Amino acid sequence: SQQGEEDPQALSIQEGENATMNCSYKTSINNLQWYRQNSGRGLVHLILIRSNEREKHSGRLRVTLDTSKKSSSLLITASRAADTASYFCASGYSTLTFGKGTMLLVSP
Amino acid sequence: DTAVSQTPKYLVTQMGNDKSIKCEQNLGHDTMYWYKQDSKKFLKIMFSYNNKELIINETVPNRFSPKSPDKAHLNLHINSLELGDSAVYFCASSRPPRRTPPPETQYFGPGTRLLVL
Repeated sequence: SQQGEEDPQALSIQEGENATMNCSYKTSINNLQWYRQNSGRGLVHLILIRSNEREKHSGRLRVTLDTSKKSSSLLITASRAADTASYFCASGYSTLTFGKGTMLLVSP
Repeated sequence: DTAVSQTPKYLVTQMGNDKSIKCEQNLGHDTMYWYKQDSKKFLKIMFSYNNKELIINETVPNRFSPKSPDKAHLNLHINSLELGDSAVYFCASSRPPRRTPPPETQYFGPGTRLLVL
């Protein structure tokens, strides 16, 4: 069964704006991970946040985790055209289950 | 220096044929996976192998048979291909959990685009 659900399904913004994507999950997790998939490519790991962490930063990425609400958000600040991709959250206790992804389009 | 590689990149074949997709990782990982990504981008795990042993086998038709000759390779053989098998198949690998609990970060191959006519 599907674990994660991303929201929104698609997001279109201008370069320089911030992009926020949300993810909800259903069962207990040890960690939650975010991946990016460029068109026609494999998934690339972006960031991992453990179940005992609330916020994590990596460059222009900021991830939050609220285990009481079973939700996470990914914030990309000062977006660039190169950030155009699909973003997936993946979570689980022993194995990863992926959501359906948010398609982000950043226009120059 | 490709970490996880898959061959072929594209595969176009007729219904009823048998085909194989190969995957190799040079990361020294113990665990390898096969995923299927459908046209709506939904990524679903099919199989997982750890040290050449099957540990996850989701509800997948038995026409799909994974084979792991060694830790670095996980191949996927598909018999009697059907139209619904058309999808992108991704191989991935991860190292075993160390100090912190699983699941570990996964490293994906570039995908094999399978089209069944």
